[in-house]
Amino acid sequence: LAKTTQPISMDSYEGQEVNITCSHNNIATNDYITWYQQFPSQGPRFIIQGYKTKVTNEVASLFIPADRKSSTLSLPRVSLSDTAVYYCLQTGANNLFFGTGTRLTVIP
Amino acid sequence: SAVISQKPSRDICQRGTSLTIQCQVDSQVTMMFWYRQQPGQSLTLIATANQGSEATYESGFVIDKFPISRPNLTFSTLTVSNMSPEDSSIYLCSADRENTGELFFGEGSRLTVL
Repeated sequence: LAKTTQPISMDSYEGQEVNITCSHNNIATNDYITWYQQFPSQGPRFIIQGYKTKVTNEVASLFIPADRKSSTLSLPRVSLSDTAVYYCLQTGANNLFFGTGTRLTVIP
Repeated sequence: SAVISQKPSRDICQRGTSLTIQCQVDSQVTMMFWYRQQPGQSLTLIATANQGSEATYESGFVIDKFPISRPNLTFSTLTVSNMSPEDSSIYLCSADRENTGELFFGEGSRLTVL
């Protein structure tokens, strides 16, 4: 099984930039790196996906170094509504396993 | 993005009974997946359901306990058989329409077994 490692929890004040890093110990050549957000009592929601370098969309940026052994999800200027669990996945053919997730708590 | 509906959203069941959870996608998808999530825990993949073939189960999950149907490209069911309190969990349906690794999830079905 692919294994990702990420911090169990993080706290941040409103308005700050938050960076959550994930380790991808045995990422395969065909795997993408995908991040999901999950609020209580809801299914996970796709945030962003990348293969290498930097990807940015309207909600986040994803930084992936050349060796692809890690990835960093960057959330600019978080608000209270960003309090959630964030999961990083190595996604490819038959590779859809969630790690422990990082519980982000945004403090007013 | 696909919209996924699950039924029931929650149920309370007696030990020894079985419950079937339905998952409807608003568009045709190639791959559908069933996950289980215990309170406060991450998601665990139960099985992958492809139309026209038997579901593929992950380690620790067997067809007799979690039979799955996939009659067409928009629908799947998961049955939790002979339930015990240990089966109390949230069961989530997911789909990967374009085989991109981008998964869309239903809201989940919260099952409590007494």
